[in-house]
Amino acid sequence: DAGITQSPRHKVTETGTPVTLRCHQTENHRYMYWYRQDPGHGLRLIHYSYGVKDTDKGEVSDGYSVSRSKTEDFLLTLESATSSQTSVYFCATLDPLAGLETQYFGPGTRLLVL
Amino acid sequence: AQKITQTQPGMFVQEKEAVTLDCTYDTSDPSYGLFWYKQPSSGEMIFLIYQGSYDQQNATEGRYSLNFQKARKSANLVISASQLGDSAMYFCAMRERFGNEKLTFGTGTRLTIIP
Repeated sequence: DAGITQSPRHKVTETGTPVTLRCHQTENHRYMYWYRQDPGHGLRLIHYSYGVKDTDKGEVSDGYSVSRSKTEDFLLTLESATSSQTSVYFCATLDPLAGLETQYFGPGTRLLVL
Repeated sequence: AQKITQTQPGMFVQEKEAVTLDCTYDTSDPSYGLFWYKQPSSGEMIFLIYQGSYDQQNATEGRYSLNFQKARKSANLVISASQLGDSAMYFCAMRERFGNEKLTFGTGTRLTIIP
């Protein structure tokens, strides 16, 4: 357990509104990731970060932006939410120097866009 | 082409029996890693087991083992002596290019253990 929290855990919003999801970790892991989970698709990578202010796009990045100003926080922003962004969002972290191969996941955020 | 394929959307298994969850992968990268995660109905993603492409032996973690057949590009998860608590979604995932650490997931298999 890498001490990963996500906020909010549930959110309902309307189409066109901006939404920011927060991922917070207490383990000082350098790498952080945002995924979305949808039925029939498994988890798909949205954006990831190799360190503070070092981010890159994943497989499904359109409509999303991220920011990482501190090691412990990775923010995912939906600039103008659409119904297709209704999903469960997972944050994950990895310490590439720890010799561990796996990413550890937060509890997820359920987002409903009406 | 799918990089990770899980062909079993759902499986029903009698309690105490062994179960094999299938996973095939596609990569031209000689250095890769294969992972299995469990997602119970509560929703969290739980890491189960890891296999590196250069590992000579199949990975094992308690009742979980990974049947790694490199030439066939398969990485099946074997759960021995299944328990009711094993009922969950199971995801196979792959990491390519060491140093990148991005994961590609399969679509998952929903396993139901029958008492």
